[in-house]
Amino acid sequence: DGGITQSPKYLFRKEGQNVTLSCEQNLNHDAMYWYRQDPGQGLRLIYYSQIVNDFQKGDIAEGYSVSREKKESFPLTVTSAQKNPTAFYLCASSFTNQPQHFGDGTRLSIL
Amino acid sequence: AQSVTQLGSHVSVSEGALVLLRCNYSSSVPPYLFWYVQYPNQGLQLLLKYTSAATLVKGINGFEAEFKKSETSFHLTKPSAHMSDAAEYFCAVTEGFGNEKLTFGTGTRLTIIP
Repeated sequence: DGGITQSPKYLFRKEGQNVTLSCEQNLNHDAMYWYRQDPGQGLRLIYYSQIVNDFQKGDIAEGYSVSREKKESFPLTVTSAQKNPTAFYLCASSFTNQPQHFGDGTRLSIL
Repeated sequence: AQSVTQLGSHVSVSEGALVLLRCNYSSSVPPYLFWYVQYPNQGLQLLLKYTSAATLVKGINGFEAEFKKSETSFHLTKPSAHMSDAAEYFCAVTEGFGNEKLTFGTGTRLTIIP
């Protein structure tokens, strides 16, 4: 079945560590997105990419980095510069001019 | 700049009663509007979308929404609530396809009372 796979489902980070969240899609979608979800705040856009080897900052990009080396993959790195990384992270993808489809998320916690 | 306001962070309805979840938007251009549903510890699932065709949009699971330009609203309704409708619902806006940056509301948690 086609879909978006996020891994791991739960992730723990120590202070000062970088961690990378995986997002893979087999829907042949052109665009991919990363959102952060905090209770009571909805979803906020971190980064998005509309084509391989190109990406743009969203509303809350500070402390995060991404790469888009392959069409199907869009990993997100939460760096040590992100002071409040505990959140639920959602990856999405879409064809141009079509609604976004979401993965099941990764919950990141700080030890 | 676009924005979305969802009135009521928590809504409770009895099983079989009408569900009404409110969404108002702000957009500098004709908007595209969406409702998504999220079950605990899962991603978001698209319920329905408005893309400037019919103003009354029917979605999955018996939900529908009506686009009212004069009221800048896109409220979500379902005639008869079912226990399985308990979830969090998000309204989102984008300023036209080609600009796929979605702006989300803060969500409404729907509780169904048996």
